[in-house]
Amino acid sequence: GAGVSQSPSNKVTEKGKDVELRCDPISGHTALYWYRQSLGQGLEFLIYFQGNSAPDKSGLPSDRFSAERTGGSVSTLTIQRTQQEDSAVYLCASSTGGGADTQYFGPGTRLTVL
Amino acid sequence: AQSVTQLDSHVSVSEGTPVLLRCNYSSSYSPSLFWYVQHPNKGLQLLLKYTSAATLVKGINGFEAEFKKSETSFHLTKPSAHMSDAAEYFCVVSDRITDSWGKLQFGAGTQVVVTP
Repeated sequence: GAGVSQSPSNKVTEKGKDVELRCDPISGHTALYWYRQSLGQGLEFLIYFQGNSAPDKSGLPSDRFSAERTGGSVSTLTIQRTQQEDSAVYLCASSTGGGADTQYFGPGTRLTVL
Repeated sequence: AQSVTQLDSHVSVSEGTPVLLRCNYSSSYSPSLFWYVQHPNKGLQLLLKYTSAATLVKGINGFEAEFKKSETSFHLTKPSAHMSDAAEYFCVVSDRITDSWGKLQFGAGTQVVVTP
């Protein structure tokens, strides 16, 4: 079946602009995660949605970052007033539940802030 | 708090020889441990996971890992490397406490090069 999809695959933006990154999880998966992969920081957890519970935002690096998940499915990660240090690959993953359930990753969105 | 240390940033092996990727973890509670692989310009793929069942875990493509609590290690091995094993490998831990459950903590990664 279809895996996790993310769009766009690449995004180039100017410093100070807002960007939206989209994630379509595997159908039926209740848990959705965002991670960031950058040269300096490696792979970092950003935010976690589980069903109808309040999201775990503990990994968001600043208040310029936000995410929402509509209808328990598609998620959008928004970065406001982008900075050059936001340049990274943003990865989305989904799983059937939380905990040790296998997380299936999308191909990522490569964000470049000029 | 949970953390994971991959002891080698780069490993080079000859095709047909064994592969060993070393990982040590720190976890406050009983951890779940994973190995993921990332091929160039591809997404992360799960190789195997440990979740308190058998300590020797077999994964895809001939990989296996052994959970050793006394050594806080979860090393990844493969008896015979193939050219297609060239990729970056991540050791990952997730603590079984409420506020961290499900949040993956990644190691820095080990880049594997396979030479003919």
